[in-house]
Amino acid sequence: AQSVTQLDSQVPVFEEAPVELRCNYSSSVSVYLFWYVQYPNQGLQLLLKYLSGSTLVKGINGFEAEFNKSQTSFHLRKPSVHISDTAEYFCAVNDYKLSFGAGTTVTVRA
Amino acid sequence: DTAVSQTPKYLVTQMGNDKSIKCEQNLGHDTMYWYKQDSKKFLKIMFSYNNKELIINETVPNRFSPKSPDKAHLNLHINSLELGDSAVYFCASSQGGDGGELFFGEGSRLTVL
Repeated sequence: AQSVTQLDSQVPVFEEAPVELRCNYSSSVSVYLFWYVQYPNQGLQLLLKYLSGSTLVKGINGFEAEFNKSQTSFHLRKPSVHISDTAEYFCAVNDYKLSFGAGTTVTVRA
Repeated sequence: DTAVSQTPKYLVTQMGNDKSIKCEQNLGHDTMYWYKQDSKKFLKIMFSYNNKELIINETVPNRFSPKSPDKAHLNLHINSLELGDSAVYFCASSQGGDGGELFFGEGSRLTVL
C-alpha cells in the first residue's frame, strides 16, 4: 500500500523569496514520484518526476525536487517565486496507480 | 488542439437525475482515467482503462459506470445523482506504464442541487 503526506496545507510566500513544499511517502515497493501543479480552474500538469538515477530532479518553471530514500521524502523547491506560481501543488506516488497527496496551496504576494 | 478534452465543463442538475461526462484524448495513449476532486481539492482515482479494458475500479458506487468505446474515449455515466456527487471530475491519459506522465483535461464541474 502507498500513501502520500504533504506536510503543509498552505504556504504563503513573498515574491522572489524561496519556497519549499514538503512531501513524504510510504510504500512497500520501489516507487515513482511526481509533483503536479494545478492553476486556478485548470487541470493538473506535470512539474517534474523521479523514476531512477540522480536524486536531484529539475522540472519546469525553475522547480526542482530531491528524492531522499532514507527519509522517504520528495520535497519540492524553487529559489525565487513569481506571482504566477500561485497555485495548488500535488505530490504523487505511483507503484501501480497514481495516488495524490492532499495538496499544498501556494499563495505568492507582492 | 486540446490533448485531453472533456465535455461539458459545467453541469448543474437535480438530485436523482442521470448525467454523462465525455472525454477524448488525441495523444495516442493507451491508458485513460477518471479522477474526482472534492471541495477540499483532494484527488481520488475512480477508474482506469487500458486499451478499452477496465484495470482499476476503486470503491466507487455502482451508480458510476465508465464506458470506453475505443482507446481514445472514456465516458462517465452517473445514475441517480446525489448531493455528495458534487465535485470536479478530471479525465486523464498516459502512456508507458507506472512512470508515465498523466495528461489531464480541464475538468468537469458537477453541481447537484
